[in-house]
Amino acid sequence: GESVGLHLPTLSVQEGDNSIINCAYSNSASDYFIWYKQESGKGPQFIIDIRSNMDKRQGQRVTVLLNKTVKHLSLQIAATQPGDSAVYFCAENRSWFSGGYNKLIFGAGTRLAVHP
Amino acid sequence: EAQVTQNPRYLITVTGKKLTVTCSQNMNHEYMSWYRQDPGLGLRQIYYSMNVEVTDKGDVPEGYKVSRKEKRNFPLILESPSPNQTSLYFCASSPTAGGAPDTQYFGPGTRLTVL
Repeated sequence: GESVGLHLPTLSVQEGDNSIINCAYSNSASDYFIWYKQESGKGPQFIIDIRSNMDKRQGQRVTVLLNKTVKHLSLQIAATQPGDSAVYFCAENRSWFSGGYNKLIFGAGTRLAVHP
Repeated sequence: EAQVTQNPRYLITVTGKKLTVTCSQNMNHEYMSWYRQDPGLGLRQIYYSMNVEVTDKGDVPEGYKVSRKEKRNFPLILESPSPNQTSLYFCASSPTAGGAPDTQYFGPGTRLTVL
């Protein structure tokens, strides 16, 4: 597998439990925020995003919460499954800053380990 | 199948030996970019391209070159690789530069080691 996860914080959960992965972002003017999942040997895969004018968005088994007061983003995964084991990245998008194109700033990532 | 492909997937080379990592997408996307991923740092953008013959520097462009002669291809060139370029590289593409985030696709990655 890839070594990018060796220095990452790790969240260990039991299969079936809910997982919460946290992320702090830096720029209060970012226009939306994205969560990516990266499995070993693969590129990042889009999970869910949330616009800066929202505070909650739900997808299938996932919920993203945005707290702009403290610049905090979280990803909640319900009923975590072994297939959820991966590295999760948050990213903030600053299209206003870059003149209209998507400028992604990635966090360092969190490894989620799901145990049976 | 819609995809971004990169070659090679793994490469070990020596300092100073020029190399090219290819990236190709089959989705007719206008926007393509290269990132490097290092432990504890997430992904950082190296270069991006808005369309054919339009490229610009990202956050960490030093030591890299790119070209965009065709819409589908966006090769990353290391003219004189150094050990600090040892990293995991990802190519990404999306329909347009300002498209929705769920329309961006990442390639599988290229693990480069420079000795």
